[in-house]
Amino acid sequence: AQSVTQLDSQVPVFEEAPVELRCNYSSSVSVYLFWYVQYPNQGLQLLLKYLSGSTLVKGINGFEAEFNKSQTSFHLRKPSVHISDTAEYFCAVSPLGSGNTGKLIFGQGTTLQVKP
Amino acid sequence: GAGVSQSPSNKVTEKGKDVELRCDPISGHTALYWYRQSLGQGLEFLIYFQGNSAPDKSGLPSDRFSAERTGGSVSTLTIQRTQQEDSAVYLCASSLARGLYNEQFFGPGTRLTVL
Repeated sequence: AQSVTQLDSQVPVFEEAPVELRCNYSSSVSVYLFWYVQYPNQGLQLLLKYLSGSTLVKGINGFEAEFNKSQTSFHLRKPSVHISDTAEYFCAVSPLGSGNTGKLIFGQGTTLQVKP
Repeated sequence: GAGVSQSPSNKVTEKGKDVELRCDPISGHTALYWYRQSLGQGLEFLIYFQGNSAPDKSGLPSDRFSAERTGGSVSTLTIQRTQQEDSAVYLCASSLARGLYNEQFFGPGTRLTVL
């Protein structure tokens, strides 16, 4: 079975400050890793993904994440946030192996609140 | 092109009634997923379709929940004898399902409120 833990339910930060949203996962099989963003009153949008290769992945809107296999983490970072980054962020994994269906297992979400 | 659409956008029902939620995936997408987003449980996987068959129903919370897909396109999620704990946003996603990874595109969701 797989589980995803997002360690912070809310992260307040001032505009132009850096931010890190933390994500840890547990899985008995290899997984793909994802970050999704949900802006207020909008649907889920893929921010970035790790499938293989370089452990540092870059996504849309200046976000990046680093996969750390030994720590089973996939933390999301942005060096300078904008008011428009205010949203809920979800970390997710998709288990691989036989019967790979592509289903996503999500964390509880982190609300990023960017203050002026 | 058109994205994933869901209807209705909002549904209010009384406890004990049956409801049907509809998902129209992106044209040509053979994989379809249902998820549920609720305050208490976060975002949960419910069921996966490949074509018209559902090889993974492991997330359906009880036998009151069922889903079908016809013509490899439209899917309907049915909840019988609704309970207050069924109140949530029900999300549908679709993908091309070629190769090991295929991005899922999400619909706007149906907000279900059970009174």
